[in-house]
Amino acid sequence: SAVISQKPSRDICQRGTSLTIQCQVDSQVTMMFWYRQQPGQSLTLIATANQGSEATYESGFVIDKFPISRPNLTFSTLTVSNMSPEDSSIYLCSVVSGSYEQYFGPGTRLTVT
Amino acid sequence: AQKVTQAQTEISVVEKEDVTLDCVYETRDTTYYLFWYKQPPSGELVFLIRRNSFDEQNEISGRYSWNFQKSTSSFNFTITASQVVDSAVYFCALRRRDKIIFGKGTRLHILP
Repeated sequence: SAVISQKPSRDICQRGTSLTIQCQVDSQVTMMFWYRQQPGQSLTLIATANQGSEATYESGFVIDKFPISRPNLTFSTLTVSNMSPEDSSIYLCSVVSGSYEQYFGPGTRLTVT
Repeated sequence: AQKVTQAQTEISVVEKEDVTLDCVYETRDTTYYLFWYKQPPSGELVFLIRRNSFDEQNEISGRYSWNFQKSTSSFNFTITASQVVDSAVYFCALRRRDKIIFGKGTRLHILP
């Protein structure tokens, strides 16, 4: 299995500001993803973080709002830009292991006021 | 189109009862993976099981068991002799290639 850590674990931010979330994995992984879970809802894929190239975004998510970096095979960041209260969610980093199991980080609970 | 349906939004059972969580999926692919995850009140997502589309063997792990039936596109999850610690939201998910799609989840309450 993969051990995933995220920073920060939670934050309260003001409208219009930006927050960068970090994801660190204890082993090299090829596939890394970012998900959002709005209050009381299921998980929605934001984007696939590609190492050395631009992230691949899902419908409804754009790079200007959710810029992603992936400088190596163990680390990625997601920035939530120009935040509004609608961005209040849990943001989760996820990786696929060599045996095709998919693991999730502990999540970052974001509240935008 | 791919889709995962968890028709049970919320279930409450008394401790020690058995409970089955339903999951029905749709996909046109012949190769895919199915997952179950548990999300306790603390919020983390705990991996429970992965099953690939070629392996229809049922699986048992302690009090947990899974029934995969391709003929009905179902991948149901049973907890035997439920405990209060089983209270959580349970998600069924389908992965095709590199994308995983989640059902809406079933919130399970185990009453003491």
